[in-house]
Amino acid sequence: GENVEQHPSTLSVQEGDSAVIKCTYSDSASNYFPWYKQELGKRPQLIIDIRSNVGEKKDQRIAVTLNKTAKHFSLHITETQPEDSAVYFCAASDTSYGKLTFGQGTILTVHP
Amino acid sequence: KAGVTQTPRYLIKTRGQQVTLSCSPISGHRSVSWYQQTPGQGLQFLFEYFSETQRNKGNFPGRFSGRQFSNSRSEMNVSTLELGDSALYLCASSLGYSGAQPQHFGDGTRLSIL
Repeated sequence: GENVEQHPSTLSVQEGDSAVIKCTYSDSASNYFPWYKQELGKRPQLIIDIRSNVGEKKDQRIAVTLNKTAKHFSLHITETQPEDSAVYFCAASDTSYGKLTFGQGTILTVHP
Repeated sequence: KAGVTQTPRYLIKTRGQQVTLSCSPISGHRSVSWYQQTPGQGLQFLFEYFSETQRNKGNFPGRFSGRQFSNSRSEMNVSTLELGDSALYLCASSLGYSGAQPQHFGDGTRLSIL
């Protein structure tokens, strides 16, 4: 089955800096890659997703890149703000099979 | 539209008991997936139901079971509770299959086993 590795497990940055979280996946058939943000005590929320026919997707300060050959994808957050502090989860799935496999999560702390 | 609703929010049980958790998906969503979240293990997939049929199952023992009703509401049951079952149980709904569409999570049920 699919295995998703996420790094780093914790990330601390200063406000205004950029943050990058990387994930690798094992199943070359995976073609859907969402990212979720979970603030303390709250539900995970989808922040951005990408499909395998696209190499990069951007939404304001957030971007995701996908390298299918290397089987890895990354989340980039620019101009970080304290409210970006949360746990971020990557995930991967083969849409024909349909099960999402999550990474272990990255605790991002943005210091004012 | 109302979001995904899970009940109860908190539950305390003792070892050996059984428990049933409920999840009401967003109106129109046909897929409901269940996850176990623990500090050390992240989000572990339990199972997915789509149109009342179990579509996928994770690597959990048979003590964990579920079902989905015709209105897409889903229940998860855990029998013979163990201390290690203490966790936050999250459900998520989506329009189509969970791995192909954005999933919307509920607030979860926090289960504590004494």
